[in-house]
Amino acid sequence: GAVVSQHPSWVICKSGTSVKIECRSLDFQATTMFWYRQFPKQSLMLMATSNEGSKATYEQGVEKDKFLINHASLTLSTLTVTSAHPEDSSFYICSAGGPSTDTQYFGPGTRLTVL
Amino acid sequence: GESVGLHLPTLSVQEGDNSIINCAYSNSASDYFIWYKQESGKGPQFIIDIRSNMDKRQGQRVTVLLNKTVKHLSLQIAATQPGDSAVYFCAENIKGGSEKLVFGKGTKLTVNP
Repeated sequence: GAVVSQHPSWVICKSGTSVKIECRSLDFQATTMFWYRQFPKQSLMLMATSNEGSKATYEQGVEKDKFLINHASLTLSTLTVTSAHPEDSSFYICSAGGPSTDTQYFGPGTRLTVL
Repeated sequence: GESVGLHLPTLSVQEGDNSIINCAYSNSASDYFIWYKQESGKGPQFIIDIRSNMDKRQGQRVTVLLNKTVKHLSLQIAATQPGDSAVYFCAENIKGGSEKLVFGKGTKLTVNP
């Protein structure tokens, strides 16, 4: 149980384009999902907390207009990187927390490369 | 400023030995702690968790110890195997907060055959 998927697993795009990443909880309902960013050899940095049916809460320094988050259902959250630039290249990971657990279960991550 | 993460702490052990990975957490109000394992190019994988009302919890080949006095958490892996090679992160959760986790810097474990 507690399986989280992400799609795509990797994406290469041109500078200025937008990229959407999907995060799904496959066998449980996730009232809260989280989006992280990870640079090579570094820890996970929380970008935002996504609650089903409400606006996401962004961490300090994360541009909400650049990283659009939508959590339309209890099993799906999406992160859209708008007008991507090379500095947005990173490993993006989502996690999901169920209604009865403090534990977060992570997706496999999405490698974004912006040319 | 500090170059966080550019020099990831490392631990190298021989196959079959026991491994101990340490973590110092920051917030005395944290009441829930998790250890994650992350292999290269993959998302973190849950290993074991512990609540602040406990000081020890055991799983299969793994034990987590919590010392709230000094805000220290450790992960012990018994009979370490090559498949245990990965980066290990501790994470803390603050009760009554927004359920978000704060991750430590991570420790890279290398198991030599």
